[in-house]
Amino acid sequence: EAQVTQNPRYLITVTGKKLTVTCSQNMNHEYMSWYRQDPGLGLRQIYYSMNVEVTDKGDVPEGYKVSRKEKRNFPLILESPSPNQTSLYFCASTSFSGTYNEQFFGPGTRLTVL
Amino acid sequence: AQSVAQPEDQVNVAEGNPLTVKCTYSVSGNPYLFWYVQYPNRGLQFLLKYITGDNLVKGSYGFEAEFNKSQTSFHLKKPSALVSDSALYFCAVRDTGRDDKIIFGKGTRLHILP
Repeated sequence: EAQVTQNPRYLITVTGKKLTVTCSQNMNHEYMSWYRQDPGLGLRQIYYSMNVEVTDKGDVPEGYKVSRKEKRNFPLILESPSPNQTSLYFCASTSFSGTYNEQFFGPGTRLTVL
Repeated sequence: AQSVAQPEDQVNVAEGNPLTVKCTYSVSGNPYLFWYVQYPNRGLQFLLKYITGDNLVKGSYGFEAEFNKSQTSFHLKKPSALVSDSALYFCAVRDTGRDDKIIFGKGTRLHILP
C-alpha cells in the first residue's frame, strides 16, 4: 500500500530535550516536505527536499533541522524544542514526473512541548 | 510574495444545496493550484488540482473547481452537498515563477447541515 508513515504519532516532551520525528514514504517520490498545522494559521511549510541531499527552507524553518540521506526518509529534528513548537506536524511527499503532482500526507504527529 | 487566501473561516450549507469554498491566490509566475480535505484526526487528502488546460477541474467525491486567471481565484464547488462533506478544506498553490515552496491557505471549515 502506498503510504507516508510518521513516528511517533503523539509525543509529550520538555523544553530543550532533543527529539526526532521520522517520516518515510514507499512511493519513490522525489519531493518531501514537513508542515506544521496550528489553529487559525493553516499549514505552514517548515522544510522541503527536492531529492537526496537537497533541502530548502520553507516559511517557518527556525528551530528545526532536516536531512535527506535516503530517498524514502526525511526526518524532522528539533535540537532544543520550545513550547511554541507545540503543534500538529505533517510529512508529505510527491513525485515530479514532468509536472507537480498532488502530495500524499502522513497521519500527523501531535507534539506537546512543556 | 506568493500567497493564498481563504476568506471564510467557516461555511454552513444545508444538505442538498450547492456549496462553494473560496480561494484566491497571488503568484509571480503561473500557478499550480490544489484543494485538499482534512477529516477529523486525519491527514490531508487530495481532492483536485489545476496545472494547465481546462479552467473547470473535476475531482474526487463530486467536487470541482474553476480556475479564473483574471480574478486569481480557484473556488471549490459541489452541486449538492452531503453531510459527509463536513470537513476542513485547504487551498494550496505553487508558484512556477519562484522556488519550490508550496503555500497553503488557512483553511475553511465546511459544515453541512442535515
